[in-house]
Amino acid sequence: EPEVTQTPSHQVTQMGQEVILRCVPISNHLYFYWYRQILGQKVEFLVSFYNNEISEKSEIFDDQFSVERPDGSNFTLKIRSTKLEDSAMYFCASTPPGTAGSNEQFFGPGTRLTVL
Amino acid sequence: DAKTTQPPSMDCAEGRAANLPCNHSTISGNEYVYWYRQIHSQGPQYIIHGLKNNETNEMASLIITEDRKSSTLILPHATLRDTAVYYCIVRDRGSTLGRLYFGRGTQLTVWP
Repeated sequence: EPEVTQTPSHQVTQMGQEVILRCVPISNHLYFYWYRQILGQKVEFLVSFYNNEISEKSEIFDDQFSVERPDGSNFTLKIRSTKLEDSAMYFCASTPPGTAGSNEQFFGPGTRLTVL
Repeated sequence: DAKTTQPPSMDCAEGRAANLPCNHSTISGNEYVYWYRQIHSQGPQYIIHGLKNNETNEMASLIITEDRKSSTLILPHATLRDTAVYYCIVRDRGSTLGRLYFGRGTQLTVWP
């Protein structure tokens, strides 16, 4: 069964450093998402991406964040200058063609980001 | 923001049915009810969704009340591997954006 994959599984970085989290969505999917979950907190939406541009972003997704689909398979989340409060699990998700609101989202296993 | 209310925790004996309730009294006619679950620190996993009819798949059944203000997710024969946080989410079926709003969910613990 196809699945969303994410690398690395765990990323440790120093405050102020740039990190890139990578995701490979399911191959025929068209809508892509990033969510995060701070330890013990709710899963929070960051951004959705469709047709090579951001569809929607939350207030969390400020100028320090960016997303890119550099080729036909990868979907990346970049944090330009990490802060301690960016420490969280980051989940990538994708949705098949059709109306995104009525389709299920397939989530990856997550990348645990630890900012020291 | 989450438009649903769920009990924070429930438990269930292995092999028995787990019935997880959800209130969504402000649901509109265009909104589906979705259920996802999250097994400890893993990515959320889709379970089932419905609009107004009851639905069943290989994982669970979804019972939606006639007024659509509440629903119940039923795991017919719970196993230890069903221990997880279960999220009930309402979502506009016409949305082209499709973001999910997760609440706190219900921590279901299945005991042997």
